Amino acid sequence: DGGITQSPKYLFRKEGQNVTLSCEQNLNHDAMYWYRQDPGQGLRLIYYSQIVNDFQKGDIAEGYSVSREKKESFPLTVTSAQKNPTAFYLCASGFGVISGNTIYFGEGSWLTVV
Amino acid sequence: GDSVTQMEGPVTLSEEAFLTINCTYTATGYPSLFWYVQYPGEGLQLLLKATKADDKGSNKGFEATYRKETTSFHLEKGSVQVSDSAVYFCALFFDGGSQGNLIFGKGTKLSVKP
Repeated sequence: DGGITQSPKYLFRKEGQNVTLSCEQNLNHDAMYWYRQDPGQGLRLIYYSQIVNDFQKGDIAEGYSVSREKKESFPLTVTSAQKNPTAFYLCASGFGVISGNTIYFGEGSWLTVV
Repeated sequence: GDSVTQMEGPVTLSEEAFLTINCTYTATGYPSLFWYVQYPGEGLQLLLKATKADDKGSNKGFEATYRKETTSFHLEKGSVQVSDSAVYFCALFFDGGSQGNLIFGKGTKLSVKP
């Protein structure tokens, strides 16, 4: 089936640890995105990438890092510098900058700091 | 900058009631507009979209019309069902020339009672 796969679904992190969330898509999409969702806050953009080996910071990039070595993959690392990482993380992809193109979302990953 | 404002929830309705969720936007250009729906514990699913003024998006009994004169994209459904209980997000696609991404409202939680 075509789609966007995020893993793990649930992840627990200890204080001071880095963790990496996986996002893979087989839709042949050029653009990929990471959003963070907190209760009552809607979705905020962390990073996005329009092409392989290139990515841009979104509104809340501090404490996060990404890579885009392959078109299909856009992993997000939550570093120890992110002071409040507990949230729901959503990966998305689409055909890029053309305004009418739809962006599709994965099922999300819950990250909890313990 | 570009932004989206949608009515705050929660909204509680009885089954078969009429639904309206208001959404207005601020944008420098002519963005595409979207409604996404999120069921509990899941990612976002595209509900409908409109790419230019006066376009009407529709899906599963939901409708929204792109009103440039009032910068609005209100979501409506004539008769809601219990299965429509979810969080609804209005979004616009920000086209930054060589870059683009979705800007979301904060979401409106809908609960439909039998």
